[in-house]
Amino acid sequence: EAEVAQSPRYKITEKSQAVAFWCDPISGHATLYWYRQILGQGPELLVQFQDESVVDDSQLPKDRFSAERLKGVDSTLKIQPAELGDSAMYLCASTPGPSTGYTFGSGTRLTVV
Amino acid sequence: TQLLEQSPQFLSIQEGENLTVYCNSSSVFSSLQWYRQEPGEGPVLLVTVVTGGEVKKLKRLTFQFGDARKDSSLHITAAQPGDTGLYLCAPGFSGTYKYIFGTGTRLKVLA
Repeated sequence: EAEVAQSPRYKITEKSQAVAFWCDPISGHATLYWYRQILGQGPELLVQFQDESVVDDSQLPKDRFSAERLKGVDSTLKIQPAELGDSAMYLCASTPGPSTGYTFGSGTRLTVV
Repeated sequence: TQLLEQSPQFLSIQEGENLTVYCNSSSVFSSLQWYRQEPGEGPVLLVTVVTGGEVKKLKRLTFQFGDARKDSSLHITAAQPGDTGLYLCAPGFSGTYKYIFGTGTRLKVLA
């Protein structure tokens, strides 16, 4: 069964350092999402891509977060500088179209110390 | 104020018991999805309900979409430890309220 790949699974970084997460969606899925999930809460959308274009980044803290999907396939989410409040699970999801559910990756658990 | 309120927030029950969790909103949705998320993993789609009043069954799980399409419930019969996880509801992809999730219900089933 096709999966959304994310790496790394776990990341510990010191505050003020840079950190990057990678996501490879299911082949053929044009839409890719990055979500942030604080422990015990539902995921919150950070950014949505349609192919290589950003569709919605209204919730992305652009002073420190950036996301790209240069070739419309895999994607990278970067945080620079990391803050203690960024500690969370970062989830990537993809969909083939607007009427189907998400397929999520296993996420990257970020701890900022 | 959350658009999608889920209740209860936490639930701990013994294996074999029945339970119901709820997803409520004041807004109307064209469809609603339910996900289960196990610790350390991403959410996995369980079902999408589309029609007001619709009932869908997935083995021991029964999902219902409210007649007015503002709320939904998930009933689990004879819960098992494998049902443990965070249950999330989310609107479908059409309409105004896309890409959001409910507050979640954390279920623990004790053996």
